[in-house]
Amino acid sequence: DAGVTQSPTHLIKTRGQQVTLRCSPKSGHDTVSWYQQALGQGPQFIFQYYEEEERQRGNFPDRFSGHQFPNYSSELNVNALLLGDSALYLCASSLEGQGISGSNQPQHFGDGTRLSIL
Amino acid sequence: GQNIDQPTEMTATEGAIVQINCTYQTSGFNGLFWYQQHAGEAPTFLSYNVLDGLEEKGRFSSFLSRSKGYSYLLLKELQMKDSASYLCAVRDDRARNDYKLSFGAGTTVTVRA
Repeated sequence: DAGVTQSPTHLIKTRGQQVTLRCSPKSGHDTVSWYQQALGQGPQFIFQYYEEEERQRGNFPDRFSGHQFPNYSSELNVNALLLGDSALYLCASSLEGQGISGSNQPQHFGDGTRLSIL
Repeated sequence: GQNIDQPTEMTATEGAIVQINCTYQTSGFNGLFWYQQHAGEAPTFLSYNVLDGLEEKGRFSSFLSRSKGYSYLLLKELQMKDSASYLCAVRDDRARNDYKLSFGAGTTVTVRA
């Protein structure tokens, strides 16, 4: 049973460029969340996708956008990259649904994409 | 807003016990999670508390007091492989359509021989 998979593992870009990161959720999961983790910090919530729509968004600018596909996989897009966007980008999947039954379900994380901006 | 505090670093000896505290002040609460993260790897789920009290899982236990906004993770019989960062995360109020996890900065535990 494959867990959460992310690609690529590492990526180097320059300021102003655009990047797309990809995530395949754990089998059976329907919800994907994206987090940004700076060195020495905890993950910061970017947004969550459920039923192919952005269900909730954190305090990130519109340069950060995403998408969820019918097979539940997801992409994170970042435009006009800044030096401060250098971080580990984590994808987490869960079985959330709409009811509270998913409230005790943990989010399972992928190994992340290490993005470096030069 | 969310405010989740945990110590930055802790050091302990192999075979000993370490307790990692986490205090939180959040706008909503629907459960607290502990994750372990080794350097360069994904956070992995350790425990979940939503009601007051102690949850035990082998060498790891987690405690919650909702009235005090306080949790701790207890690691017993420490092994070298337990050297990692431990993340405290609070789940917000789903009833208000708030599904995210809010994380503390993490506590780096170093186990020495």
